[in-house]
Amino acid sequence: NAGVTQTPKFQVLKTGQSMTLQCAQDMNHNSMYWYRQDPGMGLRLIYYSASEGTTDKGEVPNGYNVSRLNKREFSLRLESAAPSQTSVYFCASSASGRSDRFYGYTFGSGTRLTVV
Amino acid sequence: AQKITQTQPGMFVQEKEAVTLDCTYDTSDPSYGLFWYKQPSSGEMIFLIYQGSYDQQNATEGRYSLNFQKARKSANLVISASQLGDSAMYFCAMREESNFGNEKLTFGTGTRLTIIP
Repeated sequence: NAGVTQTPKFQVLKTGQSMTLQCAQDMNHNSMYWYRQDPGMGLRLIYYSASEGTTDKGEVPNGYNVSRLNKREFSLRLESAAPSQTSVYFCASSASGRSDRFYGYTFGSGTRLTVV
Repeated sequence: AQKITQTQPGMFVQEKEAVTLDCTYDTSDPSYGLFWYKQPSSGEMIFLIYQGSYDQQNATEGRYSLNFQKARKSANLVISASQLGDSAMYFCAMREESNFGNEKLTFGTGTRLTIIP
């Protein structure tokens, strides 16, 4: 099925460990995003990539790095995990164009990360 | 300043009644888009409805409609004839252009809707 695939679905890390969350889309979308969702909260943008080779910081980038490996793949890396990074992480993709024109966002199913 | 404000953390509504979920937004861009998403307990993000800033008519999708009041910067979601399956978190989101023409989607904090049988 076409869509956004995130791996892994669940992960437990110890403080200070590193890991990379993987995201791939097969819809030929230009833009990709990483969000985090804390309990009872909305989604907050960590990083986004408007096109292959470009990345930009979102609202909460500290402690994260990203790589837009190619048009399909956008990875999120935690270099030294902290308990404050315990969250559900969503990857999303979209086509691009004028902000007032409709084009949808496709979300992955999320990665539930716990840092102990 | 908050870009998207949802002032109702939780709502309880009797089944078959209509419900309005509030959303106000803040932007100085003339071109933007407004979305509503549903997140059930399973966690996935489900797109419900979209309104463009230049759209003259309010958007409708089945039982969902968006009450768009541009001058007041509000984009309330109306669900008619609520059903038990409507119990979920609901998020309002806005897309606007950031630097260099890139656009990003900003979410509100959500409203947890519970439908009572």
